[in-house]
Amino acid sequence: QSVLTQPPSASGTPGQRVTISCSGSSSNIGSNYVYWYQQLPGTAPKLLIYRNNQRPSGVPDRFSGSKSGTSASLAISGLRSEDEADYYCAAWDDSLSGEGVFGTGTKVTVL
Amino acid sequence: EVQLVESGGGLVQPGRSLRLSCAASGFTFDDYAMHWVRQAPGKGLEWVSGISWNSGSIGYADSVKGRFTISRDNAKNSLYLQMNSLRAEDTALYYCAKDRERWLQLLDFDYWGQGTLVTVSS
Repeated sequence: QSVLTQPPSASGTPGQRVTISCSGSSSNIGSNYVYWYQQLPGTAPKLLIYRNNQRPSGVPDRFSGSKSGTSASLAISGLRSEDEADYYCAAWDDSLSGEGVFGTGTKVTVL
Repeated sequence: EVQLVESGGGLVQPGRSLRLSCAASGFTFDDYAMHWVRQAPGKGLEWVSGISWNSGSIGYADSVKGRFTISRDNAKNSLYLQMNSLRAEDTALYYCAKDRERWLQLLDFDYWGQGTLVTVSS
């Protein structure tokens, strides 16, 4: 059972901006870095954003991340057809013995 | 080129055991933490377990604590997951993932394997 809540779906037309939210708590997002992963159909996930707002080399600057308090968000600007995928946030949770947690996932559809 | 190749999945009856392996190449294995992440059919990602570079720090999801054991052999560039008392809800594609850090408290996975499928059914 995930402790990071995301909207199940988001959509936009090519060129639009889409934002995905990730809601957590003080024990995870509130005290640790947030990561974002993109999973294209039938493939392994790919790191999109690390340490809240950093992009690995090779990730277009159309993707940006932010964090405020116990929530985070991923924005995709200039939406393209190849952005159609599932997106997951992730963070370490310090409760009890500590564990990693993923968000519930958001399916982005390009209309 | 970094490669992570999982093996050991298959069909197993409830209550039985299975051991997954992940063979790593293309990087200095003992410099990084490693993790197992699973994905049930049609479902989202679930972090299962992680182990620091020197095995000094280990963590498990509550859903597998007491049943699964993670380990690594740095001499063999290999990661393992011993899964005991398997349940139907453990059915999933199990991914091996490399962290970009040495320690556990970051989920900075820059490389993933293609996964090995575990099906728990009678």
